[in-house]
Amino acid sequence: GENVEQHPSTLSVQEGDSAVIKCTYSDSASNYFPWYKQELGKRPQLIIDIRSNVGEKKDQRIAVTLNKTAKHFSLHITETQPEDSAVYFCAASKGYSTLTFGKGTMLLVSP
Amino acid sequence: KAGVTQTPRYLIKTRGQQVTLSCSPISGHRSVSWYQQTPGQGLQFLFEYFSETQRNKGNFPGRFSGRQFSNSRSEMNVSTLELGDSALYLCASSDDPTGGWFNEQFFGPGTRLTVL
Repeated sequence: GENVEQHPSTLSVQEGDSAVIKCTYSDSASNYFPWYKQELGKRPQLIIDIRSNVGEKKDQRIAVTLNKTAKHFSLHITETQPEDSAVYFCAASKGYSTLTFGKGTMLLVSP
Repeated sequence: KAGVTQTPRYLIKTRGQQVTLSCSPISGHRSVSWYQQTPGQGLQFLFEYFSETQRNKGNFPGRFSGRQFSNSRSEMNVSTLELGDSALYLCASSDDPTGGWFNEQFFGPGTRLTVL
């Protein structure tokens, strides 16, 4: 089955810095790659996603890149703010409603 | 539209008991997926239901089962509870995915199950 590796497990940055979280996946048939943000005690919420026919997608301070050849995708957050502090999960899917998640990255943004 | 709801929000059970969790999807969503979230294993896929049929299943023992009703509401059941079943159980709903593409999943708040 699909396996998703996520790094780093924790990431501490200063407010205003950029943050990058990287994921690799094993199944070349995967075609959808969402990123979820989960604040303490809250439900995961989708922040950005990318499909396999696109190499990059941006939404304000957040961007995702996908390298299908390397089976690698990354989340980039620019101008980080304290409210960006949360656990971020990457995931991969090859269809229908089955997501394989990475283990998560705890991002801490210090003022 | 109202979001995904789950009941109960918290449960405490003892080993050997069984438990039933409920999930009401967003109106119009026919797909409901269940995930187990633990600190050590992260988010793991349990199963997915679409139009009252189990369409996908993760690598969990047969003690974990589910069903979906005609109104798309779903329940999951865990029998013979073990200490390791303590976790946050999340359900998520989505529109009917077509053409092999995946549609966004919207998560519920989860049910926190503690097994003593």
